[in-house]
Amino acid sequence: AQKITQTQPGMFVQEKEAVTLDCTYDTSDQSYGLFWYKQPSSGEMIFLIYQGSYDEQNATEGRYSLNFQKARKSANLVISASQLGDSAMYFCAMRDSLLAGTALIFGKGTTLSVSS
Amino acid sequence: DVKVTQSSRYLVKRTGEKVFLECVQDMDHENMFWYRQDPGLGLRLIYFSYDVKMKEKGDIPEGYSVSREKKERFSLILESASTNQTSMYLCARLPREAFFGQGTRLTVV
Repeated sequence: AQKITQTQPGMFVQEKEAVTLDCTYDTSDQSYGLFWYKQPSSGEMIFLIYQGSYDEQNATEGRYSLNFQKARKSANLVISASQLGDSAMYFCAMRDSLLAGTALIFGKGTTLSVSS
Repeated sequence: DVKVTQSSRYLVKRTGEKVFLECVQDMDHENMFWYRQDPGLGLRLIYFSYDVKMKEKGDIPEGYSVSREKKERFSLILESASTNQTSMYLCARLPREAFFGQGTRLTVV
């Protein structure tokens, strides 16, 4: 069965510092997708970044990058140059293949607090 | 922009009531999902649907049912609301990454 583990309930960082949010996953499938979402206090879920299991390069989107280590089954999110607006809950998620009928499952989340 | 719209942002219902949470997407995507979010538990999948009249149970389907009569609309039904169903409910649609509605915070009293 699929499983996503986020071991850091809370992280604290100062503005302009980089921060890594950990995510490990478990699946028996060879084809799968990994996702990170941000949820600010307003409650909306914002898609940040995607990594496919067959992608050779680590995904990057602006200040977000995904450190994908397939053998370790880890998909850590790296936020460079943190900003106050990055304070939010962050969720790692996974989907086995991208075919119709497969579910997207989430970890329990990490709360990131950025201070000035 | 992709739109996923949930009918209510906040809802208060009484124990035993039948509750309908509606979700509408503005694209023609097959996959739609219902999650509930509780502090410390993350998002847990209740049901999902990959086509009209098709549904699959997620991790916590007990006490819920769903309806998908049209591709753009996916409804979550609480047959007899209970206080332990007080939660934030999130609907999503996805071809690849999920696009979420704004959420419905349901309180059952």
